[in-house]
Amino acid sequence: KQEVTQIPAALSVPEGENLVLNCSFTDSAIYNLQWFRQDPGKGLTSLLLIQSSQREQTSGRLNASLDKSSGRSTLYIAASQPGDSATYLCAVKRTGGFKTIFGAGTRLFVKA
Amino acid sequence: NAGVMQNPRHLVRRRGQEARLRCSPMKGHSHVYWYRQLPEEGLKFMVYLQKENIIDESGMPKERFSAEFPKEGPSILRIQQVVRGDSAAYFCASSPEGIENSPLHFGNGTRLTVT
Repeated sequence: KQEVTQIPAALSVPEGENLVLNCSFTDSAIYNLQWFRQDPGKGLTSLLLIQSSQREQTSGRLNASLDKSSGRSTLYIAASQPGDSATYLCAVKRTGGFKTIFGAGTRLFVKA
Repeated sequence: NAGVMQNPRHLVRRRGQEARLRCSPMKGHSHVYWYRQLPEEGLKFMVYLQKENIIDESGMPKERFSAEFPKEGPSILRIQQVVRGDSAAYFCASSPEGIENSPLHFGNGTRLTVT
């Protein structure tokens, strides 16, 4: 059974700081791993998708890495801004399955 | 290109009533997934459907809950005889057919409140 864990559960940082969010998963047989952002009361916005054959993906100030063998992914946010404040969710799609399994998320607060 | 559309955005039902949640996937997408998010929790998978077929409903409660995705029209998640514990945000996601590595695209959700 695939389980996805995100650490820390919450994080508060001053503006401008670089930060790392962590995601771990128990079953390395995955199609892909996706990072989402969720603002309060809103839906999910896809940030980055890493396929199982890839090691990382970058979009603007965001960089996500994937290490399948150790069951880990990190989301790196450079030069954080107050507008980055949101909950960040990690999700993995298992090989041969139909579900995408989500972690509980990391709530990020960037102080101006 | 419109994204995933869910309606209503907010739904209030009294205990014992029925709730119907609708989801129109992105254009060209034939796979639909329903998730439930309880307050302060992550998203829990409920059901995966393709047009006219339920593929995986392992996350959906056996009683009171049903889902469909007809050949024409939106996908419907139906909750009969709602109870207070059904209060949650229900999200729909869609993806294209046959592309295993495609990202999931989510709607803005329906927030169900049972009074």
